[in-house]
Amino acid sequence: DIQMTQSPSSLSASVGDRVTITCQASQDISNYLNWYQQKPGKAPKLLIYDASNLETGVPSRFSGSGSGTDFTFTISSLQPEDIATYYCQQYDNLPPTFGQGTKLEIK
Amino acid sequence: EVQLVESGGGLVQPGGSLRLSCAASGFTFSSYEMNWVRQAPGKGLEWVSYISSSGSTIYYADSVKGRFTISRDNAKNSLYLQMNSLRAEDTAVYYCARDAWEQWLVLEYWGQGTLVTVSS
Repeated sequence: DIQMTQSPSSLSASVGDRVTITCQASQDISNYLNWYQQKPGKAPKLLIYDASNLETGVPSRFSGSGSGTDFTFTISSLQPEDIATYYCQQYDNLPPTFGQGTKLEIK
Repeated sequence: EVQLVESGGGLVQPGGSLRLSCAASGFTFSSYEMNWVRQAPGKGLEWVSYISSSGSTIYYADSVKGRFTISRDNAKNSLYLQMNSLRAEDTAVYYCARDAWEQWLVLEYWGQGTLVTVSS
């Protein structure tokens, strides 16, 4: 199975900060990488697909980049409603696998 | 509006069985691939199973292969997960998730989840 390693595991930032989360795959996954947001007690929500494509309706402050094994997820200006856990997911190979998650908190 | 509503979760003893259902609405169910994804309490996400739009192609995680069976009834707009020989480590919230159009394993829509607790 492809291992997905996210960092950091948790992050505290202030409203308005630029926030960056990284995800590293254990092997080349091209751009078959998605990012999800999960708020407490809720289902995950797709934010970014194919590494850099913004899902319809998702605010433009969210972005993704990368290919191969190294990927980055960025929130350009953190808002209070962005408090959540964020997961990357590869779908280049079966089984699809998720990173362990990054819990984002407001400082 | 796309809606996915899971049901069938509950408390079951180790070795027992449970059948989860996912009722879909707001889209042409028969045209979309579907998945089950689970999340143990306080843990991350784990993909469980995939079924193609026609039901002809099915995949499972190794952790559930031989114990769980995914199926669908396109006439009833419903997805199912039959879970047998349940173990404590199967305790989790189970989500059904719809693939994006022609993008398999891009999990575009999710249900609210149903909790399965395996305990004596």
